[in-house]
Amino acid sequence: DAKTTQPNSMESNEEEPVHLPCNHSTISGTDYIHWYRQLPSQGPEYVIHGLTSNVNNRMASLAIAEDRKSSTLILHRATLRDAAVYYCILRGQHTGTASKLTFGTGTRLQVTL
Amino acid sequence: DAGVTQSPTHLIKTRGQQVTLRCSPKSGHDTVSWYQQALGQGPQFIFQYYEEEERQRGNFPDRFSGHQFPNYSSELNVNALLLGDSALYLCASSPTRQSYEQYFGPGTRLTVT
Repeated sequence: DAKTTQPNSMESNEEEPVHLPCNHSTISGTDYIHWYRQLPSQGPEYVIHGLTSNVNNRMASLAIAEDRKSSTLILHRATLRDAAVYYCILRGQHTGTASKLTFGTGTRLQVTL
Repeated sequence: DAGVTQSPTHLIKTRGQQVTLRCSPKSGHDTVSWYQQALGQGPQFIFQYYEEEERQRGNFPDRFSGHQFPNYSSELNVNALLLGDSALYLCASSPTRQSYEQYFGPGTRLTVT
C-alpha cells in the first residue's frame, strides 16, 4: 500500500478555515484519496474522497494537487465538534467488494474558542 | 435506520482465554470488515467477510478468526489472548456495489489482564 504522511497535530480557532495536508508521493494512477475522521470515543467516519479533481460535499472540500502527490482537506468553518483525528488514506481502484482501509496515525485537530 | 452495532461495549479477559465479539452491519450492507486499534494508533485491518467467506486478511495470526452469518452479521474470535491484544476492536460495513465508503461501529474495548 502506498504511504501517506500527515502532521501529528494541528490547532485551529473556532469558525476559522482549517487546511489539513497530506503527502502521498508514491501514489499510483488508480489510487483514490480518502479522508476519514475519528471523533473521541467513536469509530472512524467517512469524510470525502477523490481521484484527480477537487471535490466538495456538505462536510468538507478536498483539494488534490495536479501531480496528485499531495492533497488538502479543507474544513471551511471549524467548530468544536470537528475536533478529531483526521486520516488520509489511499485506496486502490474500487472492486466489487469494499477494499481494506490502511490507516496511518493521522492528524489530531484541536479546535479552540 | 440503525447504523453498525457492536457488542459488548467493554470486555475484560485474562491471558490465555478466548473472546468472541459481535457485529451487526448497517441495513442493506453485506460486507463486514474488522479492525484493531491500539491506544494512540490508527485502526489496523484484520479481515473482511463477504458472502460468509473471508475475502481479505491483514497481518494477524491465526488466533484471530471470524465468521459471517446468512443475515450478514459477523463475529470476531480471538484465542489464547495476549496482553498485546488489548485494544479497541472496530467493525465496519459497506454495501457491495457502492464500496467507496465504510461505516464503522463504536467498537468493543477489550482489556486483557
